[in-house]
Amino acid sequence: ELKVEQNPLFLSMQEGKNYTIYCNYSTTSDRLYWYRQDPGKSLESLFVLLSNGAVKQEGRLMASLDTKARLSTLHITAAVHDLSATYFCASTPYSGGGADGLTFGKGTHLIIQP
Amino acid sequence: DTAVSQTPKYLVTQMGNDKSIKCEQNLGHDTMYWYKQDSKKFLKIMFSYNNKELIINETVPNRFSPKSPDKAHLNLHINSLELGDSAVYFCASSQGARGETQYFGPGTRLLVL
Repeated sequence: ELKVEQNPLFLSMQEGKNYTIYCNYSTTSDRLYWYRQDPGKSLESLFVLLSNGAVKQEGRLMASLDTKARLSTLHITAAVHDLSATYFCASTPYSGGGADGLTFGKGTHLIIQP
Repeated sequence: DTAVSQTPKYLVTQMGNDKSIKCEQNLGHDTMYWYKQDSKKFLKIMFSYNNKELIINETVPNRFSPKSPDKAHLNLHINSLELGDSAVYFCASSQGARGETQYFGPGTRLLVL
């Protein structure tokens, strides 16, 4: 059974600082997803990482995937208040066929303070 | 242009009642999903439909029954509601094989009293 673990689960940081959220998954997979959720809102897709070594960047966020280590990271550069949200990583089993559901981590609640 | 929509947004009901949540996507996707987000924000897959065929049925009580009248719609009917069913239910859709981004609806906040 696929398990996805994120850490930290809670992160309070100051604007302008850099930080990394880690996502480990338990079984073979080459798919890793990052979502953002604002309070009371839906999930917004940030990145889909589909191969070992994949790196994607959007603004101050950069995500990477190491399938050998079963690890993905979400790096925040020079954080700004607008990035405050809950960030989820998710994966699907490698052996799965189409229409796989996502297995989510517990989420990282990120607060960025001025 | 709402890609994935759900109705209703909020649902407050008594224990024992039966209720339905509707989901529609206008993205032309062939796969739709239902997820449950509990009070601790944990998200769990409930059902997955591909071309109107049920693919996944995780360990969900049989009080929950999904129905897909066509590829653009996936409804969730819940019988004999219990307190523990209180949660946010998200519909999502994606296209094709695994690896495609899943797009989520706005969620339906269900409160069972």
